[in-house]
Amino acid sequence: DGGITQSPKYLFRKEGQNVTLSCEQNLNHDAMYWYRQDPGQGLRLIYYSQIVNDFQKGDIAEGYSVSREKKESFPLTVTSAQKNPTAFYLCASSIGDSSQETQYFGPGTRLLVL
Amino acid sequence: SQQGEEDPQALSIQEGENATMNCSYKTSINNLQWYRQNSGRGLVHLILIRSNEREKHSGRLRVTLDTSKKSSSLLITASRAADTASYFCATPRFYNNDMRFGAGTRLTVKP
Repeated sequence: DGGITQSPKYLFRKEGQNVTLSCEQNLNHDAMYWYRQDPGQGLRLIYYSQIVNDFQKGDIAEGYSVSREKKESFPLTVTSAQKNPTAFYLCASSIGDSSQETQYFGPGTRLLVL
Repeated sequence: SQQGEEDPQALSIQEGENATMNCSYKTSINNLQWYRQNSGRGLVHLILIRSNEREKHSGRLRVTLDTSKKSSSLLITASRAADTASYFCATPRFYNNDMRFGAGTRLTVKP
């Protein structure tokens, strides 16, 4: 099955803890994205990567970090600096420039703070 | 700030009726995309319409684009309970090579 997977489905973070959300795709897409969605809201871009070993900040990058060591993988770390991390996190990929192409989304990870 | 703004925020209809959702945007675009999101799930791409197209169909979906009014509409005909979802429009941000999503229209189709 081709697609994009995210894990875990639910993640609980303790105060001051860093947590990492996984995103993997086997679509051979160059570009990958991380979005944050708050209840009743649209998507806000956290980080994106158009090619391996390169990534750019989105609108709300503060308190988050990413890496892109492999084409298939784009993990997102929510650091302790992110004071309000409770949200639904969506990973997406596209063949190339997403402003011209369809984005394919994973099922999402819901992050909750204990 | 959001590029695409959907209207209405919420829409409730009976099964079999048509549902129309609108999207307005602010800057020039070369394409506009519509996505669907079931509750607690990822987004699914529905239709991409390019700036030189005025109308596009896919099954029961019809999308129009009016670049002079900077607006688009999504029409779902003969709606079904399974169409219950949130619908988002997305427009490109060229300086970032990514898409900007609106806040969505939450559609409820009652059986």
